[in-house]
Amino acid sequence: AQSVTQPDIHITVSEGASLELRCNYSYGATPYLFWYVQSPGQGLQLLLKYFSGDTLVQGIKGFEAEFKRSQSSFNLRKPSVHWSDAAEYFCAVHPLNQGGKLIFGQGTELSVKP
Amino acid sequence: ETGVTQSPTHLIKTRGQQVTLRCSSQSGHNTVSWYQQALGQGPQFIFQYYREEENGRGNFPPRFSGLQFPNYSSELNVNALELDDSALYLCASRGPSGSSYEQYFGPGTRLTVT
Repeated sequence: AQSVTQPDIHITVSEGASLELRCNYSYGATPYLFWYVQSPGQGLQLLLKYFSGDTLVQGIKGFEAEFKRSQSSFNLRKPSVHWSDAAEYFCAVHPLNQGGKLIFGQGTELSVKP
Repeated sequence: ETGVTQSPTHLIKTRGQQVTLRCSSQSGHNTVSWYQQALGQGPQFIFQYYREEENGRGNFPPRFSGLQFPNYSSELNVNALELDDSALYLCASRGPSGSSYEQYFGPGTRLTVT
């Protein structure tokens, strides 16, 4: 079955430190891949996406993600975290030929220490 | 260009009742999807509408139904509410072509069933 795994439920980092959020997917082919961020009481905002081509993709707010086919991973990174980055982060896959369905991971809650 | 909007923001219903949630798609977007996000979970795909027809459905019972109107606004209807239906309901829209697998989410409707 298609699935997305975010192994870390909660991560705390210090402001200014680097960040990596993990995402692994289970799917027969390479799906389209996304990272979304959700602040409390808000909807989901798209950070970045991977469809094909360069496996390192840049997104908004200084985030980037790297697709690794051999590991079925799409980890999100940021070199220096800001207090405003505290939020819930969701990895999602769009299986090909399944309409608009997005399959989301459980999410990783990011806390930022001053 | 306006984003995706949803109404109401919050709603409290009693078990067994029926509820209608509304969504207004982003301008120019003709596809809308609905997701259910239980507390502490990632969003789960309910269904998608394209040109006023349902063209994809997740693992939700028939008491979850929807409509899409000619102006691309949409409704989610849930009959015979159960306690487990308490969740944040998210609407997402996407554009008609190109690399428009990106879905743009509204802020959600928080439904509480007592």
